[in-house]
Amino acid sequence: GQNIDQPTEMTATEGAIVQINCTYQTSGFNGLFWYQQHAGEAPTFLSYNVLDGLEEKGRFSSFLSRSKGYSYLLLKELQMKDSASYLCAGLDSNYQLIWGAGTKLIIKP
Amino acid sequence: DGGITQSPKYLFRKEGQNVTLSCEQNLNHDAMYWYRQDPGQGLRLIYYSQIVNDFQKGDIAEGYSVSREKKESFPLTVTSAQKNPTAFYLCASSTSQGPDTQYFGPGTRLTVL
Repeated sequence: GQNIDQPTEMTATEGAIVQINCTYQTSGFNGLFWYQQHAGEAPTFLSYNVLDGLEEKGRFSSFLSRSKGYSYLLLKELQMKDSASYLCAGLDSNYQLIWGAGTKLIIKP
Repeated sequence: DGGITQSPKYLFRKEGQNVTLSCEQNLNHDAMYWYRQDPGQGLRLIYYSQIVNDFQKGDIAEGYSVSREKKESFPLTVTSAQKNPTAFYLCASSTSQGPDTQYFGPGTRLTVL
């Protein structure tokens, strides 16, 4: 079956760094997406990885290892506005997104 | 401004009533999607459409229906056959179905009383 696993909740301190992990099992693989979702709002796109390695975009970076079925999202210099859920989604061979349940990130001052 | 709109933001209905959720996009995207989000679960695909006048069932299509008469519009009807309709419904669109980023509307929270 297809599955995306990520931690349910994480807590970090303002100004620190946090890494949110995601493991995936999909039927075929056409890339992995990360989205941010504030409570009650729509998910917004953060990153897309299809090749192994690290993609950096300002304070946010995303890493992919296809051989390990593993990705992580790295958030640096955490700000209070980063408190949100972070959704990992794998794109399968039919170009359908398989979604994880999301990781709720709590930032403390 | 280009984007996706969903209306209304909040919707209340009595059990047994059909209800239609609106989704409109002016991004000129070919593909549109409907998802359902429940607490503690990942987004689940209800229906998707790659082109006007064509749509496909997703993983949880039972109790739902859609139409795609115009490129810009992809309304979702939640019928009385849907056993547990209370949820947050999200509409999304992408340039095409493929490795293209999906962009989401603000969502409609449906509560069935």
